[in-house]
Amino acid sequence: DVVLTQTPVSLSVTLGDQASISCRSSQSLEYSDGYTYLEWYLQKPGQSPQLLIYEVSNRFSGVPDRFIGSGSGTDFTLKISRVEPEDLGVYYCFQATHDPYTFGAGTKLELK
Amino acid sequence: EVQLVESGGGLVQPGRSLKLSCAASGFTFSNYYMAWVRQAPKKGLEWVATISTSGSRTYYPDSVKGRFTISRDNAKSSLYLQMNSLKSEDTATYYCARQNYPGPFAYWGQGTLVTVSS
Repeated sequence: DVVLTQTPVSLSVTLGDQASISCRSSQSLEYSDGYTYLEWYLQKPGQSPQLLIYEVSNRFSGVPDRFIGSGSGTDFTLKISRVEPEDLGVYYCFQATHDPYTFGAGTKLELK
Repeated sequence: EVQLVESGGGLVQPGRSLKLSCAASGFTFSNYYMAWVRQAPKKGLEWVATISTSGSRTYYPDSVKGRFTISRDNAKSSLYLQMNSLKSEDTATYYCARQNYPGPFAYWGQGTLVTVSS
């Protein structure tokens, strides 16, 4: 199975700071169709997960442009340019390139 | 507005069965792959099952293959998860999700809690 390693495990930030989360895959996530099915989700406290980014760098409907996904192959990054209170929670990367689909273990974004 | 509402969770003994349901609205259900994702208490997310638009293709990880069965009724806009031979490690909140196959889970329900314990 593909292992997604997220770092850091937790991240303490001040509102307005930039935050960066890394997701490294044990295998390349480029699919045979040329797409890379690497997504990012945010689970706010007490809520269901919500999709932020799909196919590495595409923001889902309604996601603010302060969320920026990048990367290729096995190395991916989610950057939040100016952290706001509603951004706090646990971020998960996820791959749908290889069967079985797998999630990273999560990165908790909290206030310093 | 896309809505996914799960039901059917509860307390069940090890080795027994349980069937979860998910009622979908706000989109053309038959046009989308659907999936189940679970989250054990205080743990991360785990994909459980995916089903194609017609229901002819289903996909599972090894952890549930042979025990869980995903199905759908397009006429009722409903998704199901039949869980047999339940184990304590199946204890989790189970989320129904609309999948933009082969990619992301674009919309999620609020989840239903399954507790497997004697």
